[in-house]
Amino acid sequence: GEEVAQTPKHLVRGEGQKAKLYCAPIKGHSYVFWYQQVLKNEFKFLISFQNENVFDETGMPKERFSAKCLPNSPCSLEIQATKLEDSAVYFCASSQGRDEKLFFGSGTQLSVL
Amino acid sequence: KNEVEQSPQNLTAQEGEFITINCSYSVGISALHWLQQHPGGGIVSLFMLSSGKKKHGRLIATINIQEKHSSLHITASHPRDSAVYICAVRNYNTDKLIFGTGTRLQVFP
Repeated sequence: GEEVAQTPKHLVRGEGQKAKLYCAPIKGHSYVFWYQQVLKNEFKFLISFQNENVFDETGMPKERFSAKCLPNSPCSLEIQATKLEDSAVYFCASSQGRDEKLFFGSGTQLSVL
Repeated sequence: KNEVEQSPQNLTAQEGEFITINCSYSVGISALHWLQQHPGGGIVSLFMLSSGKKKHGRLIATINIQEKHSSLHITASHPRDSAVYICAVRNYNTDKLIFGTGTRLQVFP
């Protein structure tokens, strides 16, 4: 597609429940990035992929967060046993190359109650 | 001190005014991005710079690598330019994107 598609737009989970977010990058883009925006304008890098391979996962809290980008499927970000502090907007972005213009999805607002 | 600092934090302007938003950074970078986040939350990439100047419509972005500084200019501002403008730099050593805290711009008719 011609835009980065993120689903769902909103997700509400009780503390301890699982949350799964999806991102379809722009066709032909090799890089996918996940960012967490906790407060307006405070972005935290989570993970990046080059095609289906993890490129950099140093931002991921690995005990509860996992992510995949499998061929012919949307990328996914999964949070096991959500905590209140996971409440944030999760943005996915894709780019053709590593140092090229980023295209952002519209984000998934996760609310953990 | 943040590695990426933006100024001002908040900016109000009258329609038609020339606007400048500044970004200073303290790390070596491979690229600098200017992003626009609309009130609804959507993010649009405006520019990606590694040197010099770029222009797109009423928007101009400049970067001075020696001074570690970039500016985003909006000419003939319009209420639809109201948004948060975010500067983000790619750290040359870690390859990570570091975001500034944004400049909230409101343009009144």
